[in-house]
Amino acid sequence: EAGVAQSPRYKIIEKRQSVAFWCNPISGHATLYWYQQILGQGPKLLIQFQNNGVVDDSQLPKDRFSAERLKGVDSTLKIQPAKLEDSAVYLCASSLEPSPYNEQFFGPGTRLTVL
Amino acid sequence: AQSVTQPDIHITVSEGASLELRCNYSYGATPYLFWYVQSPGQGLQLLLKYFSGDTLVQGIKGFEAEFKRSQSSFNLRKPSVHWSDAAEYFCAVAADNDMRFGAGTRLTVKP
Repeated sequence: EAGVAQSPRYKIIEKRQSVAFWCNPISGHATLYWYQQILGQGPKLLIQFQNNGVVDDSQLPKDRFSAERLKGVDSTLKIQPAKLEDSAVYLCASSLEPSPYNEQFFGPGTRLTVL
Repeated sequence: AQSVTQPDIHITVSEGASLELRCNYSYGATPYLFWYVQSPGQGLQLLLKYFSGDTLVQGIKGFEAEFKRSQSSFNLRKPSVHWSDAAEYFCAVAADNDMRFGAGTRLTVKP
């Protein structure tokens, strides 16, 4: 079974530029999560999708971050414009259903450096 | 809101020695509790989870964790550490579909 795929693996941009990350979850997983992991911290949930609908985006900085999952499969996370403090690893995870009973499977992440 | 604390930022143990990683949580009821491991350049992998029932939980790779309600703790243990266990370990708490991760404990294994 293929795991969660993410691309790119690394990205370096300058502040005020825009960037986009892509995630393809495990086939059949209805729930998709985007996390931000700043160096030295645990992952923080940015947004959770159930199929193509948003379940929770309370911690997403909506003035600069946006995410979509139009067809209920793969997803993109965008930052525009980027700030220095956005430097982090962005993790995508998926699960069969949103309940904590269902294990979240994580992708390898995209490491973003903002200069 | 629930929170989770991992008091140890970095732990070094010798290969073959026992290991205990600490995790304390704050929540009004018993939340769902998890331990994840993250190897360099990799995503997180679930080691074990506790929802209810037996307070000693067995996981993958020889790890176990014990839930202690009176201490609000969920410590991770392994009787004999292998060099391949060197990684970052995260404790997580989930309630009402809200999952919170601790800051992690980095484990170094000495030969």
